[in-house]
Amino acid sequence: NAGVTQTPKFQVLKTGQSMTLQCAQDMNHEYMSWYRQDPGMGLRLIHYSVGAGITDQGEVPNGYNVSRSTTEDFPLRLLSAAPSQTSVYFCASKSPGWALHFGNGTRLTVT
Amino acid sequence: AQTVTQSQPEMSVQEAETVTLSCTYDTSESNYYLFWYKQPPSRQMILVIRQEAYKQQNATENRFSVNFQKAAKSFSLKISDSQLGDTAMYFCAFMKPSRSYQLTFGKGTKLSVIP
Repeated sequence: NAGVTQTPKFQVLKTGQSMTLQCAQDMNHEYMSWYRQDPGMGLRLIHYSVGAGITDQGEVPNGYNVSRSTTEDFPLRLLSAAPSQTSVYFCASKSPGWALHFGNGTRLTVT
Repeated sequence: AQTVTQSQPEMSVQEAETVTLSCTYDTSESNYYLFWYKQPPSRQMILVIRQEAYKQQNATENRFSVNFQKAAKSFSLKISDSQLGDTAMYFCAFMKPSRSYQLTFGKGTKLSVIP
């Protein structure tokens, strides 16, 4: 049982490039979400999913796309990276109850 | 909208001593959940403790306990017998029951445990 797994751990992009941050969980959790953490701040919700085929926007969705084709995977896509998207990205899933469990994060730098 | 305020950007404590981290929040909701997360230098976000607003009894997890004052909208974290491994950023977070399960975080308190 690996929990929530994020890849890659680090990534550097040039402005305008695209990439996908991967998130997988092996706990059969229906709910998954993506957060970003900027310096001096707590995490903010980007997108979330309550099950396969169902996604919705969070607090800061602009510039990001998501899809949920399986229960296990919830990738986050940056179609045209901007310096403002430099951040640490966390994926989370929810077990029964009200607590979120986070992956180890991806540090993304856009130059 | 909910807001979460952590008024202590940085704190330090001697090993084996007790320290209390403060958190206040603003909401018009009557039913909600409160959490403390720990983020060590490894960057991992680790759930420390959680509290349901409808429960009057304060939550406890080993050396970690909370003082939940609903009327004052206060949710402080007490760490007893501090250990070097407790050195980390600590985030207070609020969640109202909703489809999004969105957590609203404070800006964090950086805790250093001094040997």
